[in-house]
Amino acid sequence: SQTIHQWPATLVQPVGSPLSLECTVEGTSNPNLYWYRQAAGRGLQLLFYSIGIDQISSEVPQNLSASRPQDRQFILSSKKLLLSDSGFYLCAWSPPGTGAYEQYFGPGTRLTVT
Amino acid sequence: LAKTTQPISMDSYEGQEVNITCSHNNIATNDYITWYQQFPSQGPRFIIQGYKTKVTNEVASLFIPADRKSSTLSLPRVSLSDTAVYYCLVGDMRRALTFGSGTRLQVQP
Repeated sequence: SQTIHQWPATLVQPVGSPLSLECTVEGTSNPNLYWYRQAAGRGLQLLFYSIGIDQISSEVPQNLSASRPQDRQFILSSKKLLLSDSGFYLCAWSPPGTGAYEQYFGPGTRLTVT
Repeated sequence: LAKTTQPISMDSYEGQEVNITCSHNNIATNDYITWYQQFPSQGPRFIIQGYKTKVTNEVASLFIPADRKSSTLSLPRVSLSDTAVYYCLVGDMRRALTFGSGTRLQVQP
């Protein structure tokens, strides 16, 4: 069966510090991978999605970046965090090559920028 | 991406059937309709997906009229544990999904 891991679960970082959140998927090959952010009491905002290694699309302009160094690894980074980067960050995956889709979400990382 | 409109919140009581309707007037031919459930501090969980007519699984039913401009998620006999936010999404798997604000369902005893 497939599993998705995210770490860390919680993170408190000062403004201006760097960020690295990691997501890995097990039990599948060539998954589509996604990074979302959810502000308190709000819906999910898609940040990045990737259909393969080195194939990453950015949905909104921001000071965040994403990389996919391996097939099942997706990393969200920032060189300098802003207060507005606080939120609940969710990684998700979906199977490749199907006409319909389901996305499977990880447990999330709650980031507080102080 | 087709925009979706759904009620901000709904209230129900245990044992009742709950129907949440989502409007998606600009749905495209290749778009599927998918519903997710989210509990606080957790990632959304897939509930059901459909293209047309009716789909039923062990959790819910999804009703889609012929014009596909709306859909209704039906939750039979809700319990307190069904209190959550429910998202309606419309899209093609070749493009990423857009989650709106969802419908906050509160189930009372």
